[in-house]
Parts: sequence; C-alpha cells; structure tokens
Amino acid sequence: QSALTQPPSVSGSPGQSVTISCTGTSSDVGAYNYVSWYQQHPGKAPKFLISDVNKRPSGIPDRFSGSKSGSTASLTISGLQAEDEADYYCCSYAGSYTLVFGGGTKLTV
Amino acid sequence: QVHLVQSGAELKEPGASVKVSCKASGYTFTTQYIHWVRQAPGQGLEWLGCLNPSSGFSKSAQKFQGRVTMTRDMSIFTAYMELSRLRSEDTAVYYCGRGTLERPDYWGQGALVTVSS
Repeated sequence: QSALTQPPSVSGSPGQSVTISCTGTSSDVGAYNYVSWYQQHPGKAPKFLISDVNKRPSGIPDRFSGSKSGSTASLTISGLQAEDEADYYCCSYAGSYTLVFGGGTKLTV
Repeated sequence: QVHLVQSGAELKEPGASVKVSCKASGYTFTTQYIHWVRQAPGQGLEWLGCLNPSSGFSKSAQKFQGRVTMTRDMSIFTAYMELSRLRSEDTAVYYCGRGTLERPDYWGQGALVTVSS
C-alpha cells in the first residue's frame, strides 16, 4: 500500500486561505468516503480535524473544511492564524481493514 | 473524557522485540478500534495495524505482517503492540489511537522506541 500524495509544504499569510491536497487511487481515496485529516504540532500527538471527507468533530472550528473529488481529497483552512502552523496529514480507509496515510504537509503561516 | 496512556520509552538492540501498551479510559473499551501508527524521526505517519478489542481480531499493514502482533487485556482496558526482529529503521515514536475502523480520533501521547546496539 503506497502512501497518499501530499505537497511537502504550503504557506499563507494570516487571514488568507490555503488548500492542501491528498491524492490517492481508486482503491483508497477514490473508493471510500472515509478520508480523515490530522494536525500535528512539533513533538505532539496528531489531532483529529476532519472525518468522512468533510465532517468536523465537536470543538474543531469551521475554518477547517474538507472535500473530495475522485481520488483527490482536500483540506481547506480559511482565516489562517499563527497557531495553524503545523504539519497536516490525510488518511484514507483502503479496504480490507487497512488504512493509509499521506506523507504530510508542512503549513507555514 | 477519553484518555489513552502509553508505556514509556524503550531502548532495544537489533533483533530484539518491543511491546508497547496503551491503556484506555473514559469510554467503553470494547466499542472502538485501536489503531497503531508510528513516526520515524523527521518523517510522516505510518499505519501499522488495527485491533478490534471486542473480538480480538487484528489486521496489520502488509509491510509489517509476520512482525507485528496486536493484543488486548480487556480486564485492564489495555491494548498492546509487539514488534519483533527490530532493526534500526524501526526507531520511531509509536502511537495508539482509538476510533472507528476507518479512522482514529483520540491518540495516546506516543512511545519512543530506539533500536541501537
């Protein structure tokens, strides 16, 4: 199972919006609406941001949104804030009780 | 609230095995999967496998089949991940995460495993 493809880095200014892409295949992202997103600050455990392509758990601001088209999922962060600077990972269910993660994207604000 | 507390850092020699624990609280242990994910220094997240605490069924990523064993002790709400035949490339922080089959939500604090002679 190959890792999902994410851009290594993205950047934006405070208040702007950025979008992080996550490209998989017809066996994972393209096959299931089970894409999740995680934020990870240095030295910390990942934090759950988005489930099932576009569902936000309670406590996650609506500045974070998810979408999917074909085999590519996206995370959009609007109204960028300094504390959004972190690494972001996508994850997809890949069938047969398996998951696959993306390589991660470093967001610089 | 949900808490996952993992065992401490380990230093192992190449060829040895390591067993990491993950103690759950704040929810019904048998209703959520436990996923195991690792992160090598400066690298991304890598899924190792998952465990259904209710049935004991586990599934590992193809890369780790034959080397990883996932178990649980329901009496103390604790899941375990054992990785055998360690090599230097297995040096990483190992996380447990609970959630549905399709994604983890809450995560443990991580356990650093260092493989070195």
